[in-house]
Amino acid sequence: EDKVVQSPLSLVVHEGDTVTLNCSYEVTNFRSLLWYKQEKKAPTFLFMLTSSGIEKKSGRLSSILDKKELFSILNITATQTGDSAVYLCAAFLGRANNLFFGTGTRLTVIP
Amino acid sequence: NAGVTQTPKFRVLKTGQSMTLLCAQDMNHEYMYWYRQDPGMGLRLIHYSVGEGTTAKGEVPDGYNVSRLKKQNFLLGLESAAPSQTSVYFCASSFGNNSPLHFGNGTRLTVT
Repeated sequence: EDKVVQSPLSLVVHEGDTVTLNCSYEVTNFRSLLWYKQEKKAPTFLFMLTSSGIEKKSGRLSSILDKKELFSILNITATQTGDSAVYLCAAFLGRANNLFFGTGTRLTVIP
Repeated sequence: NAGVTQTPKFRVLKTGQSMTLLCAQDMNHEYMYWYRQDPGMGLRLIHYSVGEGTTAKGEVPDGYNVSRLKKQNFLLGLESAAPSQTSVYFCASSFGNNSPLHFGNGTRLTVT
């Protein structure tokens, strides 16, 4: 059975803190891992990771994949209230062209 | 840039009624998808299409049908709605296999 597990389920931090969100996966025919940010409506794409050990970075956000240990982390430095959202991790499965999602981590950043 | 547009945004149905959700994308994407999102369950794939005139089942296809008559449109139909189909439905599109999905803003459906 395919699984994508995110931790923690929720997190409350103060502005300026650094956070690390975790995603582990056990899926058949793994191809890549993606991170999305979901505020009130549509999930918006953050990163796609295909190779181990190569960090992807965009501003204060960064992510890395470990294909040996089957996990990924998403780091957010100097958090702002606008970072408050649900962060979704998803694995692309080779079969059925399915992007298989975890249940998300809800991040709340308080001023 | 409209991206992926879903209509309607909200809908309330009685058990047994039928309806069609509409999805349109203006990015010339080949692949289109329908997901449902339920609390504690994450996003689950209902059906998808890899090109005009093609459709395929995803993880939770029962009770739904789809059609992709034009490349830019992907329709999701409920023939006889059930309370278990109360959910938020998201349409998405992508360039092709193993490409990031771009999502619409969702349709909140309640079946009473």
